[in-house]
Amino acid sequence: RKEVEQDPGPFNVPEGATVAFNCTYSNSASQSFFWYRQDCRKEPKLLMSVYSSGNEDGRFTAQLNRASQYISLLIRDSKLSDSATYLCVVNPKAGNNRKLIWGLGTSLAVNP
Amino acid sequence: DTAVSQTPKYLVTQMGNDKSIKCEQNLGHDTMYWYKQDSKKFLKIMFSYNNKELIINETVPNRFSPKSPDKAHLNLHINSLELGDSAVYFCASSLMTLPSTYTQYFGPGTRLTVL
Repeated sequence: RKEVEQDPGPFNVPEGATVAFNCTYSNSASQSFFWYRQDCRKEPKLLMSVYSSGNEDGRFTAQLNRASQYISLLIRDSKLSDSATYLCVVNPKAGNNRKLIWGLGTSLAVNP
Repeated sequence: DTAVSQTPKYLVTQMGNDKSIKCEQNLGHDTMYWYKQDSKKFLKIMFSYNNKELIINETVPNRFSPKSPDKAHLNLHINSLELGDSAVYFCASSLMTLPSTYTQYFGPGTRLTVL
């Protein structure tokens, strides 16, 4: 089993749609979870951290389910500018270890 | 203002050559990283330095040698380039002294093509 797994997509949705991505991780002791966004031919950028209680940032909502070892990202009212690859990222160890484990990403295309 | 910068942005070279990529960050971070992103878009950590000390050294051919002259700079030298080295190399930085955050800031990437 891969350490971090995502459905690569692509997800093709119309503007205004709601879309959700899931990501599973294999290490139950994982400590920190993130969603990064990567535009075509650009660098990854942090979209949001994922907290145990779930968190929301505008149209974006992230959830963590430790029991089932997955995190999710929900995008409401999709915009054309949301088209990108969304990378699930996990820090498997506590303390100051900064070795993040990256998923392959889920590709999203929002269509007019 | 550029936060994490890399040079060059594009690098096209012949097999067997030796090349270097440079990275600089002006964020005051103490930890820097090199990642490789191949054609399948998999982002894989190669090295990490904290205050000029190597802290992550993944299974990477010893043709790859990182160097950190100070905590704001991390360079990557590659000897005897091979076709399989073609990829995008990203530099990133973060602040380890704030354990509550693991946010990594990435440079724009260096697209290396080995012919």
